[in-house]
Amino acid sequence: DAGVTQSPTHLIKTRGQQVTLRCSPKSGHDTVSWYQQALGQGPQFIFQYYEEEERQRGNFPDRFSGHQFPNYSSELNVNALLLGDSALYLCASSDDLGYNSPLHFGNGTRLTVT
Amino acid sequence: DQQVKQNSPSLSVQEGRISILNCDYTNSMFDYFLWYKKYPAEGPTFLISISSIKDKNEDGRFTVFLNKSAKHLSLHIVPSQPGDSAVYFCAASVGGSNYKLTFGKGTLLTVNP
Repeated sequence: DAGVTQSPTHLIKTRGQQVTLRCSPKSGHDTVSWYQQALGQGPQFIFQYYEEEERQRGNFPDRFSGHQFPNYSSELNVNALLLGDSALYLCASSDDLGYNSPLHFGNGTRLTVT
Repeated sequence: DQQVKQNSPSLSVQEGRISILNCDYTNSMFDYFLWYKKYPAEGPTFLISISSIKDKNEDGRFTVFLNKSAKHLSLHIVPSQPGDSAVYFCAASVGGSNYKLTFGKGTLLTVNP
């Protein structure tokens, strides 16, 4: 039973570029959330996708956008990259929206912006 | 504005002893609290949770205590094992949400053999 898988594992981009990160949820899960973890900080909620729509969003600018596909996989896109976007990006999935189904996290994509 | 605070960046304990990790929160709307454990190069793994209608939840060696009046929760690990060495994150949410979590900065627990 595969857990949450993310690709790529590492990525180096230049300021101003655009990046796409990918996530496949755990088998049986249909809800995907994205988090950003800066160095020395806890993960910070970016947004959540359910039924191919963005349902909730954290305090992140419009440069951060996403998509969920019919097979429940998801992409996170970041435009006009800033040095401050360097972080570990975590994808998490669940099969319910409530407390009966804790989030399962992937191992993350380490993004470095130079 | 840090709504979930873990004031101890690190904690070191001896194998077999109790580990106590602490967490404070400021948002009185939080009603669901979780602990996640994170090993290097891996994503956070769910450990244990507690709803605000309870003051204690136990799962094997792990117990979480919630003091709503003090806006404080703690995670007790008894007995501590070297494999417990990891970063522990406290997280909270509003409305029982399992996906929009507010995390603390984490506490690095080291259990020495």
